[in-house]
Amino acid sequence: DTAVSQTPKYLVTQMGNDKSIKCEQNLGHDTMYWYKQDSKKFLKIMFSYNNKELIINETVPNRFSPKSPDKAHLNLHINSLELGDSAVYFCASSPQGTGNTIYFGEGSWLTVV
Amino acid sequence: GEDVEQSLFLSVREGDSSVINCTYTDSSSTYLYWYKQEPGAGLQLLTYIFSNMDMKQDQRLTVLLNKKDKHLSLRIADTQTGDSAIYFCAEMYSSASKIIFGSGTRLSIRP
Repeated sequence: DTAVSQTPKYLVTQMGNDKSIKCEQNLGHDTMYWYKQDSKKFLKIMFSYNNKELIINETVPNRFSPKSPDKAHLNLHINSLELGDSAVYFCASSPQGTGNTIYFGEGSWLTVV
Repeated sequence: GEDVEQSLFLSVREGDSSVINCTYTDSSSTYLYWYKQEPGAGLQLLTYIFSNMDMKQDQRLTVLLNKKDKHLSLRIADTQTGDSAIYFCAEMYSSASKIIFGSGTRLSIRP
């Protein structure tokens, strides 16, 4: 079974649309993350949730809204998509506390046209 | 500030050792990591090292940590074509409880 799974894996959509990426982890971890990887492969943290509570928001535009219905799920909703939102979005999770390894999903390739 | 730096490219001959270097800024980092990303795939944790260690070895992988210089390296012995990937160095940024990644080093293997 996949530990951190995210859907969809590929998403092509037009500018201005609203889309969501879903993420689920079955590792029993308390903390979940969204990272964005751009075309140059730079990987930046966007959000971090611990037990459904937002703990990190890295100056991400308001068009991005994470939602954590429970500690096993962290979904990412994006409003009014722009060309610059094209990237690979990685969900990840880790056990509670600092210094713990994070485990990544396979990524969601978003292309905005 | 939060910064992890790596060179972008490394090319080695098959069978040689590869050494990927990384520098980081947070002197209070407790954990440092190496992740591998193959084309079209997610990030796979290769290994990690606690800040109170100088070296960690795991089969073909050797991690060296120089805390004084804030320098981390990953050595891959007997590099194979399957090692072609992007290797990311990362540090646990203790003050903010988040993991910061370097830009990644693209390792290519030549015959």
